[in-house]
Amino acid sequence: ELVMTQSPGTLSVSPGERVTLSCRASQSVSSDLAWYQQKPGQAPRLLIYGASTRASGIPARFSGSGSGTEFSLTISSLQSEDFAVYYCQQYNNWPEFGQGTKVEIK
Amino acid sequence: QVQLVESGGGVVQPGRSLRLSCAASGFTFSNYGMHWVRQAPGKGLEWVAVIWYDGRNKYYGDSVKGRFTISRDNSKNTLYLQMNSLRVEDTAVYYCARDPDAVSGTYFDYWGQGILVTVSS
Repeated sequence: ELVMTQSPGTLSVSPGERVTLSCRASQSVSSDLAWYQQKPGQAPRLLIYGASTRASGIPARFSGSGSGTEFSLTISSLQSEDFAVYYCQQYNNWPEFGQGTKVEIK
Repeated sequence: QVQLVESGGGVVQPGRSLRLSCAASGFTFSNYGMHWVRQAPGKGLEWVAVIWYDGRNKYYGDSVKGRFTISRDNSKNTLYLQMNSLRVEDTAVYYCARDPDAVSGTYFDYWGQGILVTVSS
């Protein structure tokens, strides 16, 4: 069974800070990884696919990196609208999500 | 613009059935694979099922296999999820989501707003 693990569970940050979220796969998923942002009461929004390709309309402050089992999502300068829960999802096998990282205001 | 609108949710007793619908617009529905993804209250996301663009192949997550059936009507631009033998643990917001690929389960580029299903006696 392929397991996706995100860390940390919660990140307390100030606006303007640089933030890096981690996602680890229990086995290699190549570059078949996506990142989503979800705000309370809203559907998730696709940010990154192919581990590093920004989805349409996603600001350049969001970037993804990694391959194999280790991935990261970086927000270069956190804006107020970026406080949300972030999920990684692998699609090398049937879709599987990580448990999420909540980015909250410090 | 791409729109996905779910309907059919509500409160249902354990063991009963419910059918969700997802009306698609703003894109050529018959060219894309489609998924259902769910989220239990206060929890993370769980993939439920995928159906290929032509409806010929369907795949399910282990927790719903044998109880849920995904289907589509390309003439009506509508995706369905028939949920039978519902359990309390099926309580969740159910999202329909588009796959950018036609014939595989990849990622989800557009999502509906979600519909709440509550299984309770």
